[in-house]
Amino acid sequence: AQSVTQLDSQVPVFEEAPVELRCNYSSSVSVYLFWYVQYPNQGLQLLLKYLSGSTLVKGINGFEAEFNKSQTSFHLRKPSVHISDTAEYFCAVSELHSSASKIIFGSGTRLSIRP
Amino acid sequence: GAGVSQSPSNKVTEKGKDVELRCDPISGHTALYWYRQSLGQGLEFLIYFQGNSAPDKSGLPSDRFSAERTGGSVSTLTIQRTQQEDSAVYLCASSLSYRNEKLFFGSGTQLSVL
Repeated sequence: AQSVTQLDSQVPVFEEAPVELRCNYSSSVSVYLFWYVQYPNQGLQLLLKYLSGSTLVKGINGFEAEFNKSQTSFHLRKPSVHISDTAEYFCAVSELHSSASKIIFGSGTRLSIRP
Repeated sequence: GAGVSQSPSNKVTEKGKDVELRCDPISGHTALYWYRQSLGQGLEFLIYFQGNSAPDKSGLPSDRFSAERTGGSVSTLTIQRTQQEDSAVYLCASSLSYRNEKLFFGSGTQLSVL
């Protein structure tokens, strides 16, 4: 069965600094990978996804993530963060099967931006 | 409706009582998921439906938890004999197909067991 590990529960960064949120997954088969974001007092929404093709995936609000199969990682990056990026970020994985498959989420990383 | 709708938005109950949480997915979405979000615990998978059937119930914490989906649409999550550890936000999400390419989340039901 698949699993997801987000090693950092909290990441504080200064505004306009770069950030990387780490995500590692475990699975014996090919996977889909996702990053979801939950802004304060809002519901979760999709930030970006990797299904196939290019390993570098671009999402909304200037975020991007790179799928690294050998390291089983899908780290999220942004070159310059803004106060509005303050949110909780969740990495998620879904195994590719011929039939339906569940999506498993990590424990989340709380990104706090300091002015 | 335009999005995933969950009701009630807040539910306060006494320990030992039964509760029912409802989810109305986006029209036409065949897959429906239930998750539980506790403080600092991330999203815990509970169960998902493909149509009216539940291929994977492995996330249900105990036999006090059950869920059903009727008509390929509305789903109800039932918790019997609630315990204080059941207090959490229960989230519902739906997706267009079983390929799970994008989940659309509801706003959740905040359950408080006193």
